[in-house]
Amino acid sequence: DAMVIQNPRYQVTQFGKPVTLSCSQTLNHNVMYWYQQKSSQAPKLLFHYYDKDFNNEADTPDNFQSRRPNTSFCFLDIRSPGLGDAAMYLCATSREGGFHTEAFFGQGTRLTVV
Amino acid sequence: ELKVEQNPLFLSMQEGKNYTIYCNYSTTSDRLYWYRQDPGKSLESLFVLLSNGAVKQEGRLMASLDTKARLSTLHITAAVHDLSATYFCAPANTGNQFYFGTGTSLTVIP
Repeated sequence: DAMVIQNPRYQVTQFGKPVTLSCSQTLNHNVMYWYQQKSSQAPKLLFHYYDKDFNNEADTPDNFQSRRPNTSFCFLDIRSPGLGDAAMYLCATSREGGFHTEAFFGQGTRLTVV
Repeated sequence: ELKVEQNPLFLSMQEGKNYTIYCNYSTTSDRLYWYRQDPGKSLESLFVLLSNGAVKQEGRLMASLDTKARLSTLHITAAVHDLSATYFCAPANTGNQFYFGTGTSLTVIP
């Protein structure tokens, strides 16, 4: 059974049109991450939540925002997608604080900007 | 931010041979992950190494961690075609972030 679920698997959006990607988890992990992976590159950390605390990476563009309304769900909002934002977006979860676990990834959402 | 380097970036090896992938990172890390990625797919967890000197093995893959040298290795024994994929290491910092290395694209040739 999938433990980290991302929706949709494929998303096509228009240039400049806001888009939201979602991630849910059944693991009750306290940390959730969003990574961006462009073709033939390593995943790049955008931000993460430790419980409700939001932690942005210094080089993440303002165009990218995130929300975590509860433990199970986390959203990635791209306010005005550009052609350069086309990528695979990966959500991951882990349990932190005393006992570290593996970090599990969802299946990813492949975003196309037209 | 942690800087992570893997080498080699590309590895082509014959079936049955052994090889090691190296992962160097720039600052203190208390744990390190290894992942496998097949083309167009997400990341599959292989190992999590939690302490200096940790060694884990699964099938033909063995990973080790030397926190003092800031080095992890992924050793492949008697490679088979099914191991062809891209392998990433990802050390974590004390702030719970983990950063990926450049990746090693492995092709196993019959």
